[in-house]
Amino acid sequence: GENVEQHPSTLSVQEGDSAVIKCTYSDSASNYFPWYKQELGKGPQLIIDIRSNVGEKKDQRIAVTLNKTAKHFSLHITETQPEDSAVYFCAATFSGSARQLTFGSGTQLTVLP
Amino acid sequence: DAGVIQSPRHEVTEMGQEVTLRCKPISGHDYLFWYRQTMMRGLELLIYFNNNVPIDDSGMPEDRFSAKMPNASFSTLKIQPSEPRDSAVYFCASSFRGKDYGYTFGSGTRLTVV
Repeated sequence: GENVEQHPSTLSVQEGDSAVIKCTYSDSASNYFPWYKQELGKGPQLIIDIRSNVGEKKDQRIAVTLNKTAKHFSLHITETQPEDSAVYFCAATFSGSARQLTFGSGTQLTVLP
Repeated sequence: DAGVIQSPRHEVTEMGQEVTLRCKPISGHDYLFWYRQTMMRGLELLIYFNNNVPIDDSGMPEDRFSAKMPNASFSTLKIQPSEPRDSAVYFCASSFRGKDYGYTFGSGTRLTVV
């Protein structure tokens, strides 16, 4: 089945700096790659996604890049703010079912003031 | 929209007791997912439904777990009998076919079995 690896598991940055979280996936048929943000005591929330026909997508301070050849995708957060502190999960579709996401293990991002 | 609604938010029960978790998906969403989150195993898909029909329950850990979706607006996840290793946060999520495949998660139920 699909396997999604996420790095790093923890990341600390100074406020205003950039943060990058990377994921690799195993199923070359995967075609949808969302990113979720989970704040303490809440459920994961979709923040951005990308499809396999696109190499990059940006939404204000957040961007995601996809390299299909290498089977990896990354989340980039620029000008980080304390409210960006949370656990971030990448995910990828599983070719056996268009509706089943496989999640990475998560990255605890801490933005230091 | 109120989003995906789960109840209760917290549940503490004794080993051997039956536990029922509840979920109300977003109106119009035709997919419903039950996930379990632990530090050791991360987010695990337990079961999902499409149009109220269970499609894949291969993630259900054992026969003590069961899930139902009697109608489009309600689903339950039941554990009977509960064990301490079932302690986790259980999330329900729903999704709308034809949109961008994004899931909307509920706030979760934190289950503690003592």
